Amino acid sequence: RKEVEQDPGPFNVPEGATVAFNCTYSNSASQSFFWYRQDCRKEPKLLMSVYSSGNEDGRFTAQLNRASQYISLLIRDSKLSDSATYLCVVNIRGFQKLVFGTGTRLLVSP
Amino acid sequence: GAVVSQHPSRVICKSGTSVKIECRSLDFQATTMFWYRQFPKQSLMLMATSNEGSKATYEQGVEKDKFLINHASLTLSTLTVTSAHPEDSSFYICSARDEGPQGGYTFGSGTRLTVV
Repeated sequence: RKEVEQDPGPFNVPEGATVAFNCTYSNSASQSFFWYRQDCRKEPKLLMSVYSSGNEDGRFTAQLNRASQYISLLIRDSKLSDSATYLCVVNIRGFQKLVFGTGTRLLVSP
Repeated sequence: GAVVSQHPSRVICKSGTSVKIECRSLDFQATTMFWYRQFPKQSLMLMATSNEGSKATYEQGVEKDKFLINHASLTLSTLTVTSAHPEDSSFYICSARDEGPQGGYTFGSGTRLTVV
């Protein structure tokens, strides 16, 4: 079983739509959670950290459910520029490295 | 914010040759850097953790004699792909952790290696 699992998609949505991505992690020692965005042939860039209480940054909302070991990302009012792969990333307690999910591809069309 | 510079961005080499990739933290010191490899349509896979002044820690299945890592200073780590083969063609990305108050993982822009 993969440590971090995501639906690879692609999710095809029209501009203005709301879309949600889910991610599950298997290691209960996971302590820090992130969503990264990766454009084609580019490096990943931090979109937002995910906190237990949930957090919002503009059109983006992240939620964490530790009991279910589940993380989500909600994007409201999708823009064409949101088209990218969204990576669910976890840091495990006692380890410095990050563990990446396979990513969910989003395609926003006009 | 923290910046990590990675060079070269793209390299084509012949089978059997070696290629060195550099990763520099420009405005912070990084005692630990990470090297990832990403094949098309796949996620980043950690290859090794590079520790300043000591040996790198390799992930299971990664050949340490083939992927040589040197982290001689707090701002520079290098990955050398030795005796490259076409199956080593991939996107290699480094990352460094800013251990200062701002903290966070910053990625280099990646190196696309093609072995012909």
